[in-house]
Amino acid sequence: DGGITQSPKYLFRKEGQNVTLSCEQNLNHDAMYWYRQDPGQGLRLIYYSQIVNDFQKGDIAEGYSVSREKKESFPLTVTSAQKNPTAFYLCASSPRERNTEAFFGQGTRLTVV
Amino acid sequence: GDSVTQMEGPVTLSEEAFLTINCTYTATGYPSLFWYVQYPGEGLQLLLKATKADDKGSNKGFEATYRKETTSFHLEKGSVQVSDSAVYFCAMEYGNKLVFGAGTILRVKS
Repeated sequence: DGGITQSPKYLFRKEGQNVTLSCEQNLNHDAMYWYRQDPGQGLRLIYYSQIVNDFQKGDIAEGYSVSREKKESFPLTVTSAQKNPTAFYLCASSPRERNTEAFFGQGTRLTVV
Repeated sequence: GDSVTQMEGPVTLSEEAFLTINCTYTATGYPSLFWYVQYPGEGLQLLLKATKADDKGSNKGFEATYRKETTSFHLEKGSVQVSDSAVYFCAMEYGNKLVFGAGTILRVKS
């Protein structure tokens, strides 16, 4: 079955540590996205990539980094510079064509302890 | 800048009541518009979409019409069920970016 997979589902991190969230898709989509979800604030765009080896900052990129070395994979690193990293992180992918919807993973809940 | 505004929740309804969740957008062109639904602890699923003015998207009894003159895409359902309890997000696709509203929590009581 085609889909988009995020792992792990739950992640705990100590303050000051970097952590990487995985996102893999086998839908052959060119575009991939990372969103952060906080209660009452909806989804905020962290980074997005329209094509392999290229990515752009979203609205809240500070304290995060990404790579896009393969079409299927778009990992997100939450660095120690991110002041408030506890949140629900959602990865999505879509074809590059206009008017097409995005497909979402199940999300990773990151908690800093 | 480009943005999506939707009504604040939570919205609490009794089963079989009529549902409206308002959504308006701000964009310099003509974006595609979407409604997504999120069940507890899960990612988002596409509920319906409309790609041009006056288009009506529909799915599972939900409907929304793309109104260019009012820049709106309100979600409606004639008779809600307990299983419709979820968070609903309005979104627009513009310039290859997806912009989301803040989400509206819907709670349906039996």
